[in-house]
Amino acid sequence: GAVVSQHPSRVICKSGTSVKIECRSLDFQATTMFWYRQFPKQSLMLMATSNEGSKATYEQGVEKDKFLINHASLTLSTLTVTSAHPEDSSFYICSARDVGMPKETQYFGPGTRLLVL
Amino acid sequence: GESVGLHLPTLSVQEGDNSIINCAYSNSASDYFIWYKQESGKGPQFIIDIRSNMDKRQGQRVTVLLNKTVKHLSLQIAATQPGDSAVYFCAENLSGGSYIPTFGRGTSLIVHP
Repeated sequence: GAVVSQHPSRVICKSGTSVKIECRSLDFQATTMFWYRQFPKQSLMLMATSNEGSKATYEQGVEKDKFLINHASLTLSTLTVTSAHPEDSSFYICSARDVGMPKETQYFGPGTRLLVL
Repeated sequence: GESVGLHLPTLSVQEGDNSIINCAYSNSASDYFIWYKQESGKGPQFIIDIRSNMDKRQGQRVTVLLNKTVKHLSLQIAATQPGDSAVYFCAENLSGGSYIPTFGRGTSLIVHP
């Protein structure tokens, strides 16, 4: 089956630093990837849609200058949390849409736990 | 979409019992629905989906029911096992083809041996 990986699986950083999270589709090509954020005991909230070769589309209330998204290849999207603060601590999950499958098919990564001290 | 609560509803069942997890969706224009299972510290895992032109779909040990009149989805798990313990989310997709799911609130299922 299709596999999506994320790296790192967990990261701890100091307040004010930047953190990059990678999302990779391992055995399929993904022109579209999605980034979600999930706070404890809450649902997944879509942050942005990452499009290969073009700018990401951000959801309302998500600062594009704070959450930088780069989708430079058909198998990799990165999310950089810039100048991280404790309130950015969360579980970040990506998903990827397989170009060879119907649009409704998307595969989720295992998530990245970010803790900002 | 559904508002996100500060805590998850919880359903506790005994191993072997059937479980029914409910979800109310918000948009009558949604035409595609998915149930996901999320274990602690992991990403969501697809369980089953249903389109709005159906009212029931069955998988292995799971059944999804859709009532469009009242905008309600349910997930039935037969012979629940301890490995079914997880948080279950329904997700709705608006018609129009974007297929970007909006996740519902989630229900924590606890299966007691």
